[in-house]
Amino acid sequence: KQEVTQIPAALSVPEGENLVLNCSFTDSAIYNLQWFRQDPGKGLTSLLLIQSSQREQTSGRLNASLDKSSGRSTLYIAASQPGDSATYLCASTFEFGNEKLTFGTGTRLTIIP
Amino acid sequence: GAVVSQHPSWVICKSGTSVKIECRSLDFQATTMFWYRQFPKQSLMLMATSNEGSKATYEQGVEKDKFLINHASLTLSTLTVTSAHPEDSSFYICSAPDRRSNQPQHFGDGTRLSIL
Repeated sequence: KQEVTQIPAALSVPEGENLVLNCSFTDSAIYNLQWFRQDPGKGLTSLLLIQSSQREQTSGRLNASLDKSSGRSTLYIAASQPGDSATYLCASTFEFGNEKLTFGTGTRLTIIP
Repeated sequence: GAVVSQHPSWVICKSGTSVKIECRSLDFQATTMFWYRQFPKQSLMLMATSNEGSKATYEQGVEKDKFLINHASLTLSTLTVTSAHPEDSSFYICSAPDRRSNQPQHFGDGTRLSIL
């Protein structure tokens, strides 16, 4: 059974700091990995998608990396802003042609003004 | 704009009521859609895979007679929570993969179901 975990469960950092969120998965036969943002009571917003053949993806202040051999992905947020406060979820697919996602436990991020 | 529309966004009803939730792909066809459930302060758990024109595939522990899924067209899947009870109160979210290119999955905005 594939498992995806995220540590820490919650993180608070002062505005302006750079930060890294971690995601670990047990099955290195990952097909792709996706990072999402979820605001309280809302649905999911896709941030970045990394295919298994890629090592990283960048969008604005966000950079996501994927290391299949170590079973880890990181989401780097540069120059954090209060608007970045949300829960961040990573999710993976483990089978080509099967897009069902296994979600991590999430990290609740608070940016302190 | 939204590419997956989920409706309704919020439902409050009495115990024993059946509730239908719709998930529509707006500008692409989705032969497969996924239904997830999220309890407070927890992550999303896959309930079932909805397949257009065939039976849904349910995850272990999910009652198929309780959670009826119908995927009658290439743009619409419905989840019906039958005879809902308070323990069914949760946040339900659907997703649809866009297979036209290497696109991320698109998620609906979710439905918050509260059973009194």
